[in-house]
Amino acid sequence: AQKITQTQPGMFVQEKEAVTLDCTYDTSDQSYGLFWYKQPSSGEMIFLIYQGSYDEQNATEGRYSLNFQKARKSANLVISASQLGDSAMYFCAMRSHNDYKLSFGAGTTVTVRA
Amino acid sequence: EPEVTQTPSHQVTQMGQEVILRCVPISNHLYFYWYRQILGQKVEFLVSFYNNEISEKSEIFDDQFSVERPDGSNFTLKIRSTKLEDSAMYFCAFTGGEYNEQFFGPGTRLTVL
Repeated sequence: AQKITQTQPGMFVQEKEAVTLDCTYDTSDQSYGLFWYKQPSSGEMIFLIYQGSYDEQNATEGRYSLNFQKARKSANLVISASQLGDSAMYFCAMRSHNDYKLSFGAGTTVTVRA
Repeated sequence: EPEVTQTPSHQVTQMGQEVILRCVPISNHLYFYWYRQILGQKVEFLVSFYNNEISEKSEIFDDQFSVERPDGSNFTLKIRSTKLEDSAMYFCAFTGGEYNEQFFGPGTRLTVL
């Protein structure tokens, strides 16, 4: 079974600063994928970034980057140059290689202050 | 980006009533999923549907739930006799994109009174 842990229920960040959202995971699979999704107050789930377990480089996507430490089983999301529109709930999720269903963490609420 | 629509956006029903939630993907996909999110909580997997058959279901997906693809395009989730604890946001999703990531529909908010 896969388990995703997000220990930060809520975080505040000043506009234009960077914020790191923690995610640790537990799996016995050798091959898996890690995802981050954003859920604004409107409720939709927006895919942000993906990291494969065999990817040697950390994933980056615009202002989003993933700090992947495989030995520690962590996949932290870094949002650089925070904007007011980044205020949302952020979910870390995991998928094993042999099926596509996602297991989600509890989420972290980010509030960006002007 | 691929799109999927869900109807209704909000459904209010009485306990014990049947509800049908609908999902319409823009493109043909083989893999579909239903997830639910109780207010303020994490997103939970319900069921995956591959090639018109259930491929996996979670413990939540008991006999009160069923999924169908009645006409080859719409994808439905039926709850036969709703309970108060079924109140949640229900998302359908499909796999696509560069990383086989999942694209989620906008969700249906189900309120059971």
